Amino acid sequence: DQQVKQNSPSLSVQEGRISILNCDYTNSMFDYFLWYKKYPAEGPTFLISISSIKDKNEDGRFTVFLNKSAKHLSLHIVPSQPGDSAVYFCAASFNKFYFGSGTKLNVKP
Amino acid sequence: DSGVTQTPKHLITATGQRVTLRCSPRSGDLSVYWYQQSLDQGLQFLIQYYNGEERAKGNILERFSAQQFPDLHSELNLSSLELGDSALYFCASSAPSGTENSPLHFGNGTRLTVT
Repeated sequence: DQQVKQNSPSLSVQEGRISILNCDYTNSMFDYFLWYKKYPAEGPTFLISISSIKDKNEDGRFTVFLNKSAKHLSLHIVPSQPGDSAVYFCAASFNKFYFGSGTKLNVKP
Repeated sequence: DSGVTQTPKHLITATGQRVTLRCSPRSGDLSVYWYQQSLDQGLQFLIQYYNGEERAKGNILERFSAQQFPDLHSELNLSSLELGDSALYFCASSAPSGTENSPLHFGNGTRLTVT
């Protein structure tokens, strides 16, 4: 039972443009949402989070949007940089943390 | 550096064997979580401990067990290993329960290869 889904396994974007990563969830009880970035041979690194009482949270080049009615979460990276190339996991929490399967972002120079 | 330490980094063993993976959480974190990641798949939740007690269980096999010790480090024991147990095993920790929502902080994982 996959409660958090990332339907795009990969995304390729030109340097300087916007990267938009998407995530859908099914459980309306989730009250905390997160994005993680993972480089090969490293553990996931926390990037940004949002509480269910908000619809947007911004941190530098990273913005997370939450649409509760659509049960949809997105991460915008502007501008994208080659160093952003990594696998991005979304996660949602209500007592436990549930992770999506990841989207591999490739930012081309 | 997340502050979460996992040892060993790599482990190669044979089918049928038993291994122990170790995790030291960030200073001050009381919760420890174990996750399994197989072949570029997502992170599968195995088990959570809070201050020495089991808090939540996920898709953890009966051949697997874990514990959290008084000094808050945790160990994940995998026994009767099968080829399919080959995976990356991540440990994560988070701030004490009762605080505001706080993220998980992950270690760099232990790569287990069963041959």
